[in-house]
Amino acid sequence: DTGVSQNPRHKITKRGQNVTFRCDPISEHNRLYWYRQTLGQGPEFLTYFQNEAQLEKSRLLSDRFSAERPKGSFSTLEIQRTEQGDSAMYLCATDSTRRGGGTEAFFGQGTRLTVV
Amino acid sequence: AQTVTQSQPEMSVQEAETVTLSCTYDTSESDYYLFWYKQPPSRQMILVIRQEAYKQQNATENRFSVNFQKAAKSFSLKISDSQLGDAAMYFCAYRSSNSGYALNFGKGTSLLVTP
Repeated sequence: DTGVSQNPRHKITKRGQNVTFRCDPISEHNRLYWYRQTLGQGPEFLTYFQNEAQLEKSRLLSDRFSAERPKGSFSTLEIQRTEQGDSAMYLCATDSTRRGGGTEAFFGQGTRLTVV
Repeated sequence: AQTVTQSQPEMSVQEAETVTLSCTYDTSESDYYLFWYKQPPSRQMILVIRQEAYKQQNATENRFSVNFQKAAKSFSLKISDSQLGDAAMYFCAYRSSNSGYALNFGKGTSLLVTP
């Protein structure tokens, strides 16, 4: 297993377009998180899944954002009608419930979105 | 909501020297987890060290150690014998043991290591 994989690595889109990002977790990890990171800031939590269930959503996740994790495997994050303020790095992280709250979260390399 | 504060946007250390990065947090919980993550330029974030709040002993991982002061809500990271490969952004993060498992990150400290 090569770790958490995110695609694409970079995405440039015009304002108003829809974009979709994909995250493939480490195979035995049942929890999956999406974070957003803007320049000079730490990652901010967006949403998290345990298996296929979306258990928590941040208030940052406006109605233009939707995330899915069908069958508890890969996850997609879609942004509709993109705005310039959506420009950021979108990070995916995964871990396992087996080791409780102190478990290490493994991060992907992120998808850098630029809205022009 | 828990907040994490890293008051040093940038730090610099000479190779082989020791540097300490500061982190404070605000919480009303008694049980939680604290982490330091490293984010090298254009590479993914990786865990440096973690601390369970119920453990009094400070965590240590090779050249990395923490000074966990629960009453003061302080969680600093000490890097000994600094190496060029230690240059990166360092993020302090808090995770509740009660509500969800999301990490709350500070804004980060950029560490520069000079030869």
